[in-house]
Amino acid sequence: DAGVTQTPRHEVAEKGQTIILKCEPVSGHNDLFWYRQTKIQGLELLSYFRSKSLMEDGGAFKDRFKAEMLNSSFSTLKIQPTEPKDSAVYLCASSHRGGTEVFFGKGTRLTVV
Amino acid sequence: GDSVTQTEGLVTLTKGLPVMLNCTYQTTYSPFLFWYVQHLNEAPKLLLKSSTDNKRTEHQGFYATLHKSSSSFHLQKSSVQLSDSALYFCALSIQGGRALIFGTGTTVSVSP
Repeated sequence: DAGVTQTPRHEVAEKGQTIILKCEPVSGHNDLFWYRQTKIQGLELLSYFRSKSLMEDGGAFKDRFKAEMLNSSFSTLKIQPTEPKDSAVYLCASSHRGGTEVFFGKGTRLTVV
Repeated sequence: GDSVTQTEGLVTLTKGLPVMLNCTYQTTYSPFLFWYVQHLNEAPKLLLKSSTDNKRTEHQGFYATLHKSSSSFHLQKSSVQLSDSALYFCALSIQGGRALIFGTGTTVSVSP
């Protein structure tokens, strides 16, 4: 049974570039989450989708961050334009609708230079 | 607003000693608390969960009790192993279609 798959695992971008991170949730899961992970802030919510509808987004990330559910089994996170402060690990996670266990991917480590 | 606080950023200890990681939360809703563990370069994985007041929950030698009176869900283990070196997150779930709210995490480093 496949878990949450994130690609790429590592991304290096120059300041000002547009990058797209990809996520495939666990098959059959209705809820999908994007989090940003840093040592100082921990896990911060970027976006939360339920059955492709946006349920919640992190207010601080609205201007340059856009997550989309292209279909029930594929999501993207676009950062445009990137800034050095965006360097972090981006985690995608999924769960059954309202489920109590959330499954995470291994994340994409983004470095913006 | 709703929040989770983990007071220790780093805990270093020797194999075989006990450990306790603090977690407190704030919410006006009925809480569901979780502990996630993340080993280096791995995905965070669920370790424990509870929504029952004053009932101890255990898994893989770790245990925690949700105390609603003090808004706490501290994680404990009586004897840590080298393999317990990892990052531990406490998280809060509330009803109403909200995503998990995480604390900042505690890194546990166990030495021989």
